[in-house]
Amino acid sequence: QKEVEQNSGPLSVPEGAIASLNCTYSDRGSQSFFWYRQYSGKSPELIMSIYSNGDKEDGRFTAQLNKASQYVSLLIRDSQPSDSATYLCAVIEGSQGNLIFGKGTKLSVKP
Amino acid sequence: GAVVSQHPSRVICKSGTSVKIECRSLDFQATTMFWYRQFPKQSLMLMATSNEGSKATYEQGVEKDKFLINHASLTLSTLTVTSAHPEDSSFYICSARQPGTGLTEAFFGQGTRLTVV
Repeated sequence: QKEVEQNSGPLSVPEGAIASLNCTYSDRGSQSFFWYRQYSGKSPELIMSIYSNGDKEDGRFTAQLNKASQYVSLLIRDSQPSDSATYLCAVIEGSQGNLIFGKGTKLSVKP
Repeated sequence: GAVVSQHPSRVICKSGTSVKIECRSLDFQATTMFWYRQFPKQSLMLMATSNEGSKATYEQGVEKDKFLINHASLTLSTLTVTSAHPEDSSFYICSARQPGTGLTEAFFGQGTRLTVV
């Protein structure tokens, strides 16, 4: 059974700071990694996908992948109160592509 | 991104009744859809994989006779919770992936909050 581990938090950062969210996964053969944001009572919303080692930047978000360490992270620059949500790390499992989710890290950005 | 629409967004039903949840891919055809369940303060857990024109594949511990999945067309999958009980109260979410994009990002419906009283 593949596993995805995240620190549940809460992670609290001041507005304008960098929020760093971390995730580890158990299956060394995993190839596709995703970060989703979930507001309370809502369904997950895709933030970033990453498939290769290194960094991938999209606006204020940077995803980092290190397959050797089985580690993927998400950096949020210039954090805003509207970024306050639970961030879910997900890895694809199986040939049909279902996702295995971590338990999520709750982020709180204080004004 | 691709649009996946789920209906209803919220439903309250009496114990012992059945509830049907619909999941539609609006701008693409989805041969495979996924059904997840999320309990409060927990992560999403895959319940079953829905395949168009064939039987769904259920995860271990998910009762296939209780959670009926029908994927009769390339744009619609339904989940029916039969003989619902209070412990079935949860947030049910479907997802789908655009065909031809490989194992890339999946898009989620809005979710259905089921409360069984």
